[in-house]
Amino acid sequence: SAVISQKPSRDICQRGTSLTIQCQVDSQVTMMFWYRQQPGQSLTLIATANQGSEATYESGFVIDKFPISRPNLTFSTLTVSNMSPEDSSIYLCSVEDPTQGGTGNTIYFGEGSWLTVV
Amino acid sequence: DAKTTQPPSMDCAEGRAANLPCNHSTISGNEYVYWYRQIHSQGPQYIIHGLKNNETNEMASLIITEDRKSSTLILPHATLRDTAVYYCIVSFLYGQNFVFGPGTRLSVLP
Repeated sequence: SAVISQKPSRDICQRGTSLTIQCQVDSQVTMMFWYRQQPGQSLTLIATANQGSEATYESGFVIDKFPISRPNLTFSTLTVSNMSPEDSSIYLCSVEDPTQGGTGNTIYFGEGSWLTVV
Repeated sequence: DAKTTQPPSMDCAEGRAANLPCNHSTISGNEYVYWYRQIHSQGPQYIIHGLKNNETNEMASLIITEDRKSSTLILPHATLRDTAVYYCIVSFLYGQNFVFGPGTRLSVLP
């Protein structure tokens, strides 16, 4: 299975600042996704990070607030811009691992980046 | 919205089998059933997935009804470390994101 590393694992951020989260995968993958998990809630998809083109955002998420880069097939970043306390969440990178062959792809998740905005 | 319905919580005695149900009555013919779990806000961990046949791996078994409208994840001998939120997800095989519902919070009791 793909090994996914996220940085930072945890951070405390000041209101109004921006933070960039990095996601590194140990193999080339086509599909990468960014999720948010607010305290006590389930996961919500923010966007699909497309290599070589703009990310595809889900309803309720916009590029100005969550700009995403995908410079190659093993790396992506998510920036949380102009943060407010409501942005305090776990942000998770996930990838579709094509190594399962005919039995189907599987999506794997990084360990997440815990952001607390004060 | 999630295409699945799960009970919000369940308890299971340590060493016993944990049977976690999931309803997915609107599943389409080429959608798979996936199970993940999340232990205390770590990243979700893949458990198992299947289309229509029952599946088993080192972690669990997945039983899918013949009409595919429901499934059960079985942890054969639950341990305290299996305490987690378990998510049942229905998705196409390739190129699709996962829509997470609230899941089932499984508590394994000593």
